[in-house]
Amino acid sequence: DAGVIQSPRHEVTEMGQEVTLRCKPISGHNSLFWYRQTMMRGLELLIYFNNNVPIDDSGMPEDRFSAKMPNASFSTLKIQPSEPRDSAVYFCASSLFQGEGYTFGSGTRLTVV
Amino acid sequence: SQQGEEDPQALSIQEGENATMNCSYKTSINNLQWYRQNSGRGLVHLILIRSNEREKHSGRLRVTLDTSKKSSSLLITASRAADTASYFCATDSAGNKLTFGGGTRVLVKP
Repeated sequence: DAGVIQSPRHEVTEMGQEVTLRCKPISGHNSLFWYRQTMMRGLELLIYFNNNVPIDDSGMPEDRFSAKMPNASFSTLKIQPSEPRDSAVYFCASSLFQGEGYTFGSGTRLTVV
Repeated sequence: SQQGEEDPQALSIQEGENATMNCSYKTSINNLQWYRQNSGRGLVHLILIRSNEREKHSGRLRVTLDTSKKSSSLLITASRAADTASYFCATDSAGNKLTFGGGTRVLVKP
């Protein structure tokens, strides 16, 4: 298994542009999570899905952020418009529901200038 | 807000020594997990301990859980340079949603 796959690995964009981050979870995992990591705030849960359904999006900072999971093998996190304070490393993780821990992707390092 | 808080924030030891880090949390949990993150990489799951367990081992790792004190500890025995990383505790309080602490940065000097 290739693990959780995120793309792109790095993204540099100008303020105001739309950014789309992509994630392919491990096949058979029922839960998918999006986290953001910064030095100031650490790891923050943005949103998570169970069986492709969004369960808790209380961590999504603003309406500029949206996430979708159209099927069990793909999820996107979109920021529109992007702002410099969105600069962070965004991680996707998947797990079996009530399983033995998360498997994280390698992350997308987003820089908004 | 962070559920778990690790202590110390940073730890520097010599290769071969043991490393101990602690995690305190605020609310009742279903389980507590420890993760490792190497610089510039994603987190890697190390070990999970359930609320009805008190101690668990995995290789050179030993985790304890004291639910009465709402605390956990991670011990890495006979540390190696490759153990240099940040270590995070994470708590599952409701429905498979993990809340992470701020992490302990461990430096193992050869």
